[in-house]
Amino acid sequence: ETGVTQSPTHLIKTRGQQVTLRCSSQSGHNTVSWYQQALGQGPQFIFQYYREEENGRGNFPPRFSGLQFPNYSSELNVNALELDDSALYLCASSLAGTRPYEQYFGPGTRLTVT
Amino acid sequence: QQQVKQSPQSLIVQKGGISIINCAYENTAFDYFPWYQQFPGKGPALLIAIRPDVSEKKEGRFTISFNKSAKQFSLHIMDSQPGDSATYFCAANTGGFKTIFGAGTRLFVKA
Repeated sequence: ETGVTQSPTHLIKTRGQQVTLRCSSQSGHNTVSWYQQALGQGPQFIFQYYREEENGRGNFPPRFSGLQFPNYSSELNVNALELDDSALYLCASSLAGTRPYEQYFGPGTRLTVT
Repeated sequence: QQQVKQSPQSLIVQKGGISIINCAYENTAFDYFPWYQQFPGKGPALLIAIRPDVSEKKEGRFTISFNKSAKQFSLHIMDSQPGDSATYFCAANTGGFKTIFGAGTRLFVKA
C-alpha cells in the first residue's frame, strides 16, 4: 500500500507569483482534501475533490484553486501569492462511501513567500 | 460554531505518567472525532477516533473519553514515553467532508 506523497518538499516564491503543489493519494483512495497549516496552528481546510470535482470549500479566496485527475492525484494552485500564504500545505486522501472520515495525510509542502 | 477548542497549549509529563488533552466543540452536527499526532516535519497521522454514540474508546495506551452532553472529549495517554513527544490535534468532522482541527497541544515527555 502506497502512502500519500507530495511534491515539492519545499518551495520559495515571491509575492505576486503563482505556485502549483502536487499530491498523489494513497492507493485505493478516491478523495483528496487540501489543508493549510500555519506555523504553530492546526490545519485549516481549503477544499476537497471527489470524482474530479470540488466537493466543498473552506474559507479561502478564489485564488486558491485545485484539480483532481482520473488517477485521483491532485494539484493545488495559488495565484497572486501573499506573504500570509507562507505555510505547510497538506493533502489528505480518503475513501468516499465506506470510510470517508479516515483521512491520511502526506508530509506536506513547505511554502515560503518572500 | 465551527470551532474546536483545545487545551492545554503545551504539556510536560514525566516518563510513565498520564498525559491528558482536552477539547470542546459547539456544533452538534459533528459525528466523528479523530485525534492526530504530528512530529516535526511530518504530516498529521491518525491516532484514534470516536463517534458520539460511544463514551470511551481505547487503543493500546491511548484512550478517548467522550461526553456528549457537555460537548467535550479528551485524549489520555497512559504510561507516557519520550517517543510520544509530539503535537497532538483533536478534530471534528461531519459527513466525511470537512475536518475542523483544534489549535494543537505540544507534548513533551521527560525521560
